Amino acid sequence: AAGVIQSPRHLIKEKRETATLKCYPIPRHDTVYWYQQGPGQDPQFLISFYEKMQSDKGSIPDRFSAQQFSDYHSELNMSSLELGDSALYFCASSRFQRGYEQYFGPGTRLTVT
Amino acid sequence: GQQLNQSPQSMFIQEGEDVSMNCTSSSIFNTWLWYKQDPGEGPVLLIALYKAGELTSNGRLTAQFGITRKDSFLNISASIPSDVGIYFCAGPNSGGSNYKLTFGKGTLLTVNP
Repeated sequence: AAGVIQSPRHLIKEKRETATLKCYPIPRHDTVYWYQQGPGQDPQFLISFYEKMQSDKGSIPDRFSAQQFSDYHSELNMSSLELGDSALYFCASSRFQRGYEQYFGPGTRLTVT
Repeated sequence: GQQLNQSPQSMFIQEGEDVSMNCTSSSIFNTWLWYKQDPGEGPVLLIALYKAGELTSNGRLTAQFGITRKDSFLNISASIPSDVGIYFCAGPNSGGSNYKLTFGKGTLLTVNP
């Protein structure tokens, strides 16, 4: 079965640079969620989108923004990167009607040096 | 916000043994989810529970939704080496139009062959 696709899988950036993470949800899933997971931590919700509209917001820094496109893929844009932004970033998708059953992608490991 | 308390934090068992872990909350959840995460990978949804008292199995895994709706249990029978990983409980916070998941801190399972 098709799964959530994330790219790139690994990304190395320097402080103050920008980064763009991409997420392609499972076919027919219309809702996308972004989570951040620090080393040894549990995933923390950042933001979610349904039908290209932001539907919920968590602890996402103002330096980050995201959007969902007409083909339902989503991009997380991160600017003025800080060392503390180094983490695993996961995208998850679901059908809106079953939003609690979220399927996670393999993640993007972002390292800020 | 809602918090989920998982226990134990870690477990070391022998192959073939049964395992039990639990998750509690100070507030009511209407859905309980159990995920497994391998190092550097995305969480994989194992079991979703929707009703208080519900008992659901997925192969050697069995999970129960507590009657009070404030707890859930996950049991793994006849453990095998590939059961190694971090097990997270999670619950959805309804907010906006979709659901953001709150995760517990995880139970790290090590299985000795």
